[in-house]
Amino acid sequence: AQKVTQAQTEISVVEKEDVTLDCVYETRDTTYYLFWYKQPPSGELVFLIRRNSFDEQNEISGRYSWNFQKSTSSFNFTITASQVVDSAVYFCALSEETSYDKVIFGPGTSLSVIP
Amino acid sequence: EAGVAQSPRYKIIEKRQSVAFWCNPISGHATLYWYQQILGQGPKLLIQFQNNGVVDDSQLPKDRFSAERLKGVDSTLKIQPAKLEDSAVYLCASSPSTETQYFGPGTRLLVL
Repeated sequence: AQKVTQAQTEISVVEKEDVTLDCVYETRDTTYYLFWYKQPPSGELVFLIRRNSFDEQNEISGRYSWNFQKSTSSFNFTITASQVVDSAVYFCALSEETSYDKVIFGPGTSLSVIP
Repeated sequence: EAGVAQSPRYKIIEKRQSVAFWCNPISGHATLYWYQQILGQGPKLLIQFQNNGVVDDSQLPKDRFSAERLKGVDSTLKIQPAKLEDSAVYLCASSPSTETQYFGPGTRLLVL
């Protein structure tokens, strides 16, 4: 069965600090997709990244970076030099080969960046 | 490109009343999803449409929830009758195929 765990319920950092959001997943499939979404206070889920299970290369996009490690079933998200606008709930999600469209979301991590 | 549109944005009803939510997906997106997001939790899929056919409604409480997607474009989600535990944000998302889902702003429902 597929499952996504985000052990950090809430994180608070001071502006300009780096912060890493953890994501651990469970799946029996060898082919699957991992996602990160951001949900700001406005409520709309914003897509950040999608990775397939065969691409373990780390990715960097501006201040955002993602570390995918199949050996530990983790897909962690790091924000460098955090800003107040990064304050949001961040969701890690998983979809399996057998049901690409069906996305299972983790419980989310609420990030507060304090000025 | 216009995003996923949803209305209303907020709705307050009393238990046992009925309510309906509307979603207009991104133009050309064949797949449409409805999610329920209870406060403090991640979104949970209620129903998935491919064009105007249902692909997955295994988590839809069919005794009170119904959804339709006429003509494969707009969709309506209805709750009848509502219960207190239905208080949540109802999110609509769309995708071109087996790709990334794009979400609307959601409808916040409060059942009193």
